[in-house]
Amino acid sequence: TQLLEQSPQFLSIQEGENLTVYCNSSSVFSSLQWYRQEPGEGPVLLVTVVTGGEVKKLKRLTFQFGDARKDSSLHITAAQPGDTGLYLCAGAQGGSEKLVFGKGTKLTVNP
Amino acid sequence: DAGVIQSPRHEVTEMGQEVTLRCKPISGHNSLFWYRQTMMRGLELLIYFNNNVPIDDSGMPEDRFSAKMPNASFSTLKIQPSEPRDSAVYFCASSSPLNQPQHFGDGTRLSIL
Repeated sequence: TQLLEQSPQFLSIQEGENLTVYCNSSSVFSSLQWYRQEPGEGPVLLVTVVTGGEVKKLKRLTFQFGDARKDSSLHITAAQPGDTGLYLCAGAQGGSEKLVFGKGTKLTVNP
Repeated sequence: DAGVIQSPRHEVTEMGQEVTLRCKPISGHNSLFWYRQTMMRGLELLIYFNNNVPIDDSGMPEDRFSAKMPNASFSTLKIQPSEPRDSAVYFCASSSPLNQPQHFGDGTRLSIL
């Protein structure tokens, strides 16, 4: 059983389009992180959200943490080919350093 | 600053052989994590250390896997004997105190024939 479900699994869009990817769970998390991973490299942290209902913006990327701290979304405005990659969400529970990762959304932005 | 350094980047070996993966965490980081990534199962935590002490090894698949951290700047993940189903990308990550973000290495792509 996957603790964090990400959807969609694959997404292929044209440059300039908007998109939203989702990270859902039946469990509560004390914090949730979003990472981006490019081929041949390790995941790189984009953002950490810790408060229910929190919204964080990183240029064209908007991250939201659900009110109940069970789900999160990532919205990209005017996607660019450089946004191509695997987007992973990861949750921490309690005071633990352990992260549980979703399987990721593989995004391809075509020029 | 140097990031997390993993070696080798690629390893191809025959089943039954011993495999040793190496990791050098970021200086000053006191937590170190070993992950395995496959298409089917995604990124899974195998084991993590805090101040060189193993804290949680519940993700280690079986006794063929072992991990050590003899000092703050070096860790190994060993598989003996290796099997084809161990083929995956293995990542090491480190973080500093107070639950700071994890920094990942570029991984070791392991293929067991």
